Amino acid sequence: QKEVEQNSGPLSVPEGAIASLNCTYSDRGSQSFFWYRQYSGKSPELIMSIYSNGDKEDGRFTAQLNKASQYVSLLIRDSQPSDSATYLCAELSGGYNKLIFGAGTRLAVHP
Amino acid sequence: DGGITQSPKYLFRKEGQNVTLSCEQNLNHDAMYWYRQDPGQGLRLIYYSQIVNDFQKGDIAEGYSVSREKKESFPLTVTSAQKNPTAFYLCASSRGREGRSRDEQFFGPGTRLTVL
Repeated sequence: QKEVEQNSGPLSVPEGAIASLNCTYSDRGSQSFFWYRQYSGKSPELIMSIYSNGDKEDGRFTAQLNKASQYVSLLIRDSQPSDSATYLCAELSGGYNKLIFGAGTRLAVHP
Repeated sequence: DGGITQSPKYLFRKEGQNVTLSCEQNLNHDAMYWYRQDPGQGLRLIYYSQIVNDFQKGDIAEGYSVSREKKESFPLTVTSAQKNPTAFYLCASSRGREGRSRDEQFFGPGTRLTVL
């Protein structure tokens, strides 16, 4: 059974700080990983995709992938209250385009 | 505007009734998906379709049915056989066949189904 594990949180950080969200996965064959942001009552919104080991930066977001250790993380710099949401980690299962989701980490950024 | 639309936004169903959730996309995507989300849980795949007139069961297909007669449309029917249908239903689409290993999925706004 392929799994994606996330700490459910809540992760509470002060405004302006760096929020660090982590995710581990069990399928060593996975090549593609995604971070989605989901506001309460809304649908998931894709914010980052990462396919290679190392870091990928997009604005205030940095995704990090370590395939040897089977973890992927998301850093949010200069956190804002508007970043408060649940962040879903997902891996793309090999063979067909099936996303396997973690249960999500709830982030709360307080002023 | 390109995007994915789902209707209705809220749906109430009596026990024993079948209901159909609509999903339409104008992104020219080949692949479409249906997920279910329960409170505090991740998304689980119900059905997916890589191409018109073809679809495959996901992890929790029992009690659901789909059709893919047009590229733009992928309706989901929740049948009376689904024992616990109250959930948030999300439709997604992706480019599909090209660049399969890097295929990004994008979600519609969702339909919240409640069984009375």
